[in-house]
Amino acid sequence: AQTVTQSQPEMSVQEAETVTLSCTYDTSESDYYLFWYKQPPSRQMILVIRQEAYKQQNATENRFSVNFQKAAKSFSLKISDSQLGDAAMYFCAYRSPLTYNNNDMRFGAGTRLTVKP
Amino acid sequence: KAGVTQTPRYLIKTRGQQVTLSCSPISGHRSVSWYQQTPGQGLQFLFEYFSETQRNKGNFPGRFSGRQFSNSRSEMNVSTLELGDSALYLCASSGGLAGVYEQFFGPGTRLTVL
Repeated sequence: AQTVTQSQPEMSVQEAETVTLSCTYDTSESDYYLFWYKQPPSRQMILVIRQEAYKQQNATENRFSVNFQKAAKSFSLKISDSQLGDAAMYFCAYRSPLTYNNNDMRFGAGTRLTVKP
Repeated sequence: KAGVTQTPRYLIKTRGQQVTLSCSPISGHRSVSWYQQTPGQGLQFLFEYFSETQRNKGNFPGRFSGRQFSNSRSEMNVSTLELGDSALYLCASSGGLAGVYEQFFGPGTRLTVL
């Protein structure tokens, strides 16, 4: 079964600085999808960024970018120019293609990010 | 476009009772997934429905059940509530132009079992 590991339970960053959140996953599949979700104190899960495994180019969304290392099964999230509103719990998630059995979204345990003013 | 909505937002029940939670997906989305979130176990997948059929199921006891209606709205039911069922229940929908893989979440229903 696919598992997702986030080894950093908590991280902190100074406002305007850059922070990288780590995520590794275990899979024997060659095709899959990876996501980072943000859950602020309001508890609403918000999609931050997604990456298709077949794409070599790292995904970027404004201040958010990923470093996808398929061979190493690593999918880290970099937040540039951190803002106070970035403070939240961040979850890394994995999903198999819909043609696979058990293709539900698998989540890591989360990393709580604190942004210091 | 309206997001995923969940009702009720908060619920307090006692052990042994049953509860029904409702989820309305984003218009055009045909897949609805349910998750249980607790501090100890994190986010755990309950089940997914697509076109009124259960497509995936997580490792939860039979007390947890769900269904999906023809308009893609979904309900989940928990019977014979236990204290350990206290959690945030999240619903997510997928499909439409954004693609079928990424999920969009509702605000959740906070269930407290006394």
